[in-house]
Amino acid sequence: DGGITQSPKYLFRKEGQNVTLSCEQNLNHDAMYWYRQDPGQGLRLIYYSQIVNDFQKGDIAEGYSVSREKKESFPLTVTSAQKNPTAFYLCASSMLGGMNTEAFFGQGTRLTVV
Amino acid sequence: GENVEQHPSTLSVQEGDSAVIKCTYSDSASNYFPWYKQELGKRPQLIIDIRSNVGEKKDQRIAVTLNKTAKHFSLHITETQPEDSAVYFCAASRDNDMRFGAGTRLTVKP
Repeated sequence: DGGITQSPKYLFRKEGQNVTLSCEQNLNHDAMYWYRQDPGQGLRLIYYSQIVNDFQKGDIAEGYSVSREKKESFPLTVTSAQKNPTAFYLCASSMLGGMNTEAFFGQGTRLTVV
Repeated sequence: GENVEQHPSTLSVQEGDSAVIKCTYSDSASNYFPWYKQELGKRPQLIIDIRSNVGEKKDQRIAVTLNKTAKHFSLHITETQPEDSAVYFCAASRDNDMRFGAGTRLTVKP
């Protein structure tokens, strides 16, 4: 379904713990993204990656870390430094090329920190 | 980085009326402008997009216009139907760096 999979769908963690959200795609896309969605604030870019072993910070990278060891995978770690981690997280991927192309989204992970 | 502003935040129309959502962007180098629809509990999905070398694009009841000089683009939905009710996001992208607006919650009343 869509070729991009996020897991788990719901995640609960205690305050102060790091947690890693999974994102895998089989679309052979070069670019991958992580967005955070909060009510009334749209989709805010956390990190994006255009190629393996390279990634760039978005608008709200503080308290988050990513890795891109494989083209298919772009995991996001929410660290204890992120002050308000409870949110809905969306991963996306797209092709590269001379012109930008459509981004396909995963189903999202709802993270709740208690 | 790019800054995308979207208005209005909420929009309510009667079935059959038109709906218009407007976005502005700050980076003149942005060259790709997609619109996504997100239904409740679902992932955002592309409904239409436009590139910087085109001023207008239409797909059935949906159209998008782009004014590069003014750095704004708009989504137009005609003959709205209840199933058009959703949150709509605009985005601006440069070199695959894609930034989104805050979203518009569209409600179509039967």
